Amino acid sequence: DAKTTQPPSMDCAEGRAANLPCNHSTISGNEYVYWYRQIHSQGPQYIIHGLKNNETNEMASLIITEDRKSSTLILPHATLRDTAVYYCIVRVAEYNNNDMRFGAGTRLTVKP
Amino acid sequence: GAVVSQHPSRVICKSGTSVKIECRSLDFQATTMFWYRQFPKQSLMLMATSNEGSKATYEQGVEKDKFLINHASLTLSTLTVTSAHPEDSSFYICSARRQGEYGNTIYFGEGSWLTVV
Repeated sequence: DAKTTQPPSMDCAEGRAANLPCNHSTISGNEYVYWYRQIHSQGPQYIIHGLKNNETNEMASLIITEDRKSSTLILPHATLRDTAVYYCIVRVAEYNNNDMRFGAGTRLTVKP
Repeated sequence: GAVVSQHPSRVICKSGTSVKIECRSLDFQATTMFWYRQFPKQSLMLMATSNEGSKATYEQGVEKDKFLINHASLTLSTLTVTSAHPEDSSFYICSARRQGEYGNTIYFGEGSWLTVV
């Protein structure tokens, strides 16, 4: 069972920031928040992950609330190619940890 | 960056035959790989965990005799769908776990479309 809750769909105007929320109220202290996205008919693409501090890379920023019960993925300048299903996943990032389990995700549509 | 490759990307097979899908980690060794199945407009569902040199671990409800997994080397896992039926038609995706200094990251392949006719 997925441990996260995401809105099923969102729209965003091209060039604007896309803010994708995720609730993970039962997250454990050693669980990270991971974000992946899946463009139609492709395998999931890793975006970013974090534990408690905000993270930024070339693709996106991840904002995690202080209580770690929710987070927001920010795509600062969305393009049409960012249209995809975005998955928020919590998992333990230890050596012996195993799988990545997916929920329903958020279908983001970037419109011109 | 890390790359995981699947082959074939698309395959059509006749009902009753078997088909093999390969998953390779191209620039790192993966002791653990994972196989998922995705039906149209649905999320990815984990089928099994493939462990190098040992038997795969299957999720509840996945038939191990139908979906044969072999992880014979640190860079290759194969999924064989035996006696395929039209309801096995789906998008099959593998992923590989890359161990790093601060934990591990999982990278996904491009996926393989299986159509059973």
